Amino acid sequence: QLQLQESGPGLVKPSETLSLTCTVSGGSISSSSYYWGWIRQPPGKGLEWIGHINYSGTTFYNPSLKSRGIISVDTSKNQFSLKLNSVTAADTAVYYCARRWFYDSGSWATFDYWGHGTLVTVSS
Amino acid sequence: ETVLTQSPGTLSLSPGERVTLSCRASQSVSSSYFAWYQQKPGQAPRLLIYGASSRATGIPDRFSGSGSGADFTLTISRLEPEDFAVYYCQQYDNSPITFGQGTRLEIK
Repeated sequence: QLQLQESGPGLVKPSETLSLTCTVSGGSISSSSYYWGWIRQPPGKGLEWIGHINYSGTTFYNPSLKSRGIISVDTSKNQFSLKLNSVTAADTAVYYCARRWFYDSGSWATFDYWGHGTLVTVSS
Repeated sequence: ETVLTQSPGTLSLSPGERVTLSCRASQSVSSSYFAWYQQKPGQAPRLLIYGASSRATGIPDRFSGSGSGADFTLTISRLEPEDFAVYYCQQYDNSPITFGQGTRLEIK
């Protein structure tokens, strides 16, 4: 059974960089059939897509991040990571990592497997 | 950006009832790229429906989705106690991927 687990600091100071890692188990991150993404949810609010990456490092980002986010992949560790710089209180959220698959036709599907999420608070 | 507006914001219903949740998009979305998620407190979202009408693995057949263009619906034919949660619609046709603000289903 595929599992995803987020890890990283739960508290980040304003203007610093938020760094999170997602470890994938029960499956290979190197499969060409999937992309691996980050989604966040501010406390009591809705979901916001951050971006996703594939095994070769091809990335897609939400323009709302204004180029503050970088997603990378480490296939040797079966992990992918998120770095978000210049954080403010507005970046306080539960951050989820998730898998995105492709339909048989080769076009995009959506996120099917999700991690449990990790709360990151931005505060001095 | 494709804005998704869900209605109503909150629904109070009893187990056994039938419910239909709505989601309207600010621009046309291909039904192939529309999904519904369920989220319970303290848990990650769970994929219910993709491609507007296909149930994800393990989802009971009391959940069904339909719609096209800008209007989509999720129907739960007979509410079970475990169905009381927040439901989000999502489009993955246009970039960026966007979600609705959610509909909360609460026990009456």
